[in-house]
Amino acid sequence: SQQGEEDPQALSIQEGENATMNCSYKTSINNLQWYRQNSGRGLVHLILIRSNEREKHSGRLRVTLDTSKKSSSLLITASRAADTASYFCATAINFGNEKLTFGTGTRLTIIP
Amino acid sequence: GAGVSQSPSNKVTEKGKDVELRCDPISGHTALYWYRQSLGQGLEFLIYFQGNSAPDKSGLPSDRFSAERTGGSVSTLTIQRTQQEDSAVYLCASSLVRGLNEQFFGPGTRLTVL
Repeated sequence: SQQGEEDPQALSIQEGENATMNCSYKTSINNLQWYRQNSGRGLVHLILIRSNEREKHSGRLRVTLDTSKKSSSLLITASRAADTASYFCATAINFGNEKLTFGTGTRLTIIP
Repeated sequence: GAGVSQSPSNKVTEKGKDVELRCDPISGHTALYWYRQSLGQGLEFLIYFQGNSAPDKSGLPSDRFSAERTGGSVSTLTIQRTQQEDSAVYLCASSLVRGLNEQFFGPGTRLTVL
């Protein structure tokens, strides 16, 4: 079953604008990760945030985590055409139980 | 190679046939995972290998699915008596050690069962 659900399911924005995607999950987690997938094949890890962290940055990416609301957001600033992809959040429940439970994904399209 | 590799990249088979999907993890990665992604969906966990420990098979959808990992490296996912609902992209990932590490994904095998 899907642990996480991304919102929105699809998002189209102009190049240069910021893109925000949200993820909600159901159970307590040890960490939450965001992945990007191009063309429906391999996934690329973007960022990992632990349950005791509230915000994390990596380049143009900013991730927040609110464990009280069981939600996370991924912000991509100054979007580029190359950011067009599907974005998934994934949760790991326990340390030592590294299998990830993925959400359904947000399809992001950057319009040049 | 530098990344996780999978073969074949595409597999078309007839209903009822058996298929084997192969995964070569990154050298030195002790953990290996198999996931399945149906069209337009997120990833579904199938099975997880960690070193010499017994694998976590909790995600395998039926007893037609099995996987092994030989010598702590290459893994093979076998689907027996394939069904049309088995059609999906099968993704393999590996990570360096047990713990809070990112998973590195292969390009996947697209399985189509006719």
